[in-house]
Amino acid sequence: QKEVEQDPGPLSVPEGAIVSLNCTYSNSAFQYFMWYRQYSRKGPELLMYTYSSGNKEDGRFTAQVDKSSKYISLFIRDSQPSDSATYLCAMSPVGIQGAQKLVFGQGTRLTINP
Amino acid sequence: NAGVMQNPRHLVRRRGQEARLRCSPMKGHSHVYWYRQLPEEGLKFMVYLQKENIIDESGMPKERFSAEFPKEGPSILRIQQVVRGDSAAYFCASSPLGGGYTFGSGTRLTVV
Repeated sequence: QKEVEQDPGPLSVPEGAIVSLNCTYSNSAFQYFMWYRQYSRKGPELLMYTYSSGNKEDGRFTAQVDKSSKYISLFIRDSQPSDSATYLCAMSPVGIQGAQKLVFGQGTRLTINP
Repeated sequence: NAGVMQNPRHLVRRRGQEARLRCSPMKGHSHVYWYRQLPEEGLKFMVYLQKENIIDESGMPKERFSAEFPKEGPSILRIQQVVRGDSAAYFCASSPLGGGYTFGSGTRLTVV
């Protein structure tokens, strides 16, 4: 069993739709939860960063963490064609010497259709 | 600030050759991480380095792979005697102490 499971998609939705992306994990030691966006032929860029359980909102993006279920989600409201990318969840236990070794999900390829 | 610079962007090697991938961290960042991304897969941690020190190499294959981050100059990921299975995108990230990652755009290695 992989430490982090993420549906690879692809996921295709119309512009303006609400998008829900999800990951499950098995390692109870994970405390830091992140969502990255990766455009084709580019490196991942950090979208959202959450410590422990709860919700965090940033503009059209909302990240949710449910540690009791070992389940995290990213919601995108009013989706735009420019949101088309691969979305990767990532997690980390308490960092090693202050740094974080991240465990990534497989990534979900999202397409927003105009 | 130029961000994390990786070069080359694309690298083609024949089986058995050596591949050297370079990463220049962001200014002021003292921590470097290397990740590998195989086709249709997420990123897999390989190694974490500070200047002149390997802190965690738990994700590095035991043979043919090595990494360094010298006092001066970029971090180098070296793959000796490459095989077709080494074909992947290799991403470098850097961070300040206790800070978040910034990724480079990656080096895409193709072994023919």
